[in-house]
Amino acid sequence: DTEVTQTPKHLVMGMTNKKSLKCEQHMGHRAMYWYKQKAKKPPELMFVYSYEKLSINESVPSRFSPECPNSSLLNLHLHALQPEDSALYLCASSKLAGEGETQYFGPGTRLLVL
Amino acid sequence: AQSVAQPEDQVNVAEGNPLTVKCTYSVSGNPYLFWYVQYPNRGLQFLLKYITGDNLVKGSYGFEAEFNKSQTSFHLKKPSALVSDSALYFCAVNGYTGGFKTIFGAGTRLFVKA
Repeated sequence: DTEVTQTPKHLVMGMTNKKSLKCEQHMGHRAMYWYKQKAKKPPELMFVYSYEKLSINESVPSRFSPECPNSSLLNLHLHALQPEDSALYLCASSKLAGEGETQYFGPGTRLLVL
Repeated sequence: AQSVAQPEDQVNVAEGNPLTVKCTYSVSGNPYLFWYVQYPNRGLQFLLKYITGDNLVKGSYGFEAEFNKSQTSFHLKKPSALVSDSALYFCAVNGYTGGFKTIFGAGTRLFVKA
């Protein structure tokens, strides 16, 4: 199984809402990632988890809160978002967080903040 | 610092003709280079990567890429394009910059005309 799943596929939320994005993989990978992608732009790294511990936070605003409850799951908790946060949020995983590691991406959650 | 450049926003090619999507890179240390493809409303899919060894790397769906150290390039190629190859292609470099990260190029949109 080389699949990364993400739920929900689409999400519309107001600026005062709290919501969560979920990502799951069953490939035994020990590194998981959150990326943000605007239309026709490359993915921008947000967070990296290695062995369930946060290893990289790319100076992401605190209204985005990641969580890695176990080696298969990755969540992104959203609170008080801004309209400019509307984007495609991609989850990815790799065997390890190291050089030359191939990342496997989920289909993404398309988020619209009103 | 690591970076990749994709000099073409868009490449147009007729079905059955060879295609090339260009990528140049800048890294300190050994280059770990990747090509990913993104179809509309989908996540990124891994095509191929260069770690070490043979300069010609073969990947998925008939794609290949040539690593050229002297020109710091990693161009993606396919001998005969298909309409279904039309998508957004990202070149990426992976390495250590305050943590292991993958940096993506701006992307090149490939249009294959029937």
